[in-house]
Amino acid sequence: QKEVEQNSGPLSVPEGAIASLNCTYSDRGSQSFFWYRQYSGKSPELIMFIYSNGDKEDGRFTAQLNKASQYVSLLIRDSQPSDSATYLCAGPGLTFGSGTQLTVLP
Amino acid sequence: GAGVSQSPSNKVTEKGKDVELRCDPISGHTALYWYRQSLGQGLEFLIYFQGNSAPDKSGLPSDRFSAERTGGSVSTLTIQRTQQEDSAVYLCASSLEGGTYEQYFGPGTRLTVT
Repeated sequence: QKEVEQNSGPLSVPEGAIASLNCTYSDRGSQSFFWYRQYSGKSPELIMFIYSNGDKEDGRFTAQLNKASQYVSLLIRDSQPSDSATYLCAGPGLTFGSGTQLTVLP
Repeated sequence: GAGVSQSPSNKVTEKGKDVELRCDPISGHTALYWYRQSLGQGLEFLIYFQGNSAPDKSGLPSDRFSAERTGGSVSTLTIQRTQQEDSAVYLCASSLEGGTYEQYFGPGTRLTVT
């Protein structure tokens, strides 16, 4: 079993909607999680990180960490077509999820 | 400041040839990672360097793959006797330290084995 699992995609949402991306992890001791965005043909870029239980907001992005249930999620409010990309969840060190492809439809 | 750089950006080689891919991490970053990404797939971990510790080679797919990091900075990933299945984008990342710190990725090297 992979240490970090992402919900299956691809995911399509209309422009202006909330996109919800989810990830579960197996190591209860994991303390930090990262969300990366990867545009087609480009390398991943860090967009959010979260170290503590609860929510962390940055503009239209909110990362949520629930240690009791061992999941981490990324919410994108007011989704824009420019948000269309693959989103990778990562745990500490070397554990990347397989990615969820998001398409925001204009 | 300067980000992670990789060279070459593209490499086309014939099956059976050896190739060397280079990564120059962000200055001051002690951790360096190599990943491979095939078309439409996720990131496949290859190798991880942290400071002067022995590298974590657990992701290398075969003994044709090797990597070194000189002086705690630049790293070279070498693939010997390349095969067509080695065709992929090879990504390098660095972080301030290993473990809980976020990784910053280079632009990648696209390797095509013909």
